[in-house]
Amino acid sequence: DQQVKQNSPSLSVQEGRISILNCDYTNSMFDYFLWYKKYPAEGPTFLISISSIKDKNEDGRFTVFLNKSAKHLSLHIVPSQPGDSAVYFCAAFRAGNMLTFGGGTRLMVKP
Amino acid sequence: GAVVSQHPSWVICKSGTSVKIECRSLDFQATTMFWYRQFPKQSLMLMATSNEGSKATYEQGVEKDKFLINHASLTLSTLTVTSAHPEDSSFYICSAQFAAGLSYNEQFFGPGTRLTVL
Repeated sequence: DQQVKQNSPSLSVQEGRISILNCDYTNSMFDYFLWYKKYPAEGPTFLISISSIKDKNEDGRFTVFLNKSAKHLSLHIVPSQPGDSAVYFCAAFRAGNMLTFGGGTRLMVKP
Repeated sequence: GAVVSQHPSWVICKSGTSVKIECRSLDFQATTMFWYRQFPKQSLMLMATSNEGSKATYEQGVEKDKFLINHASLTLSTLTVTSAHPEDSSFYICSAQFAAGLSYNEQFFGPGTRLTVL
């Protein structure tokens, strides 16, 4: 049972435009969400997070939106840069320390 | 940010041998370390949670006798893949969490270890 889903396996965006990565979850017990960025053969690096008591969190070019009623979150990257090309995972906390990851979305930012 | 290292970064072994992977938190103490596994083009799957000084908690479907986890100190956890077989070939990633702090502080991930079993 995949509790965190990223339905788009890949996304291609032109440099300078907005990248929108989506994530859906099914477990209403999740109350903290994170986005990670991952390059091939490397561990994920933390990008941005959001608590369920908020609906938006912004950090520079990265903004995460949370819609609890729809059990949906999204990551916006504006403006997109070629260096943003990577696989992005959304993840959710359950039972305190347990992270559940989505399947990832490969973002390609074209110059 | 906090640094987590893994050793080795890549290992190739023959079927039937055991392989040990180390995970170290270099500049902080971590009472909790996590081990994940990633198959090609798939998500990270939590294998087990390791608390210093106690037995690891394994996720459903993960064989604890196959994947031995030891968390002997606040900076070191090891994963031993016993009697490795080709289907164990994967990318193994550890993460570590601060010993004390916020409930939802981020986990810091190691660079991963690619295991190839011939």
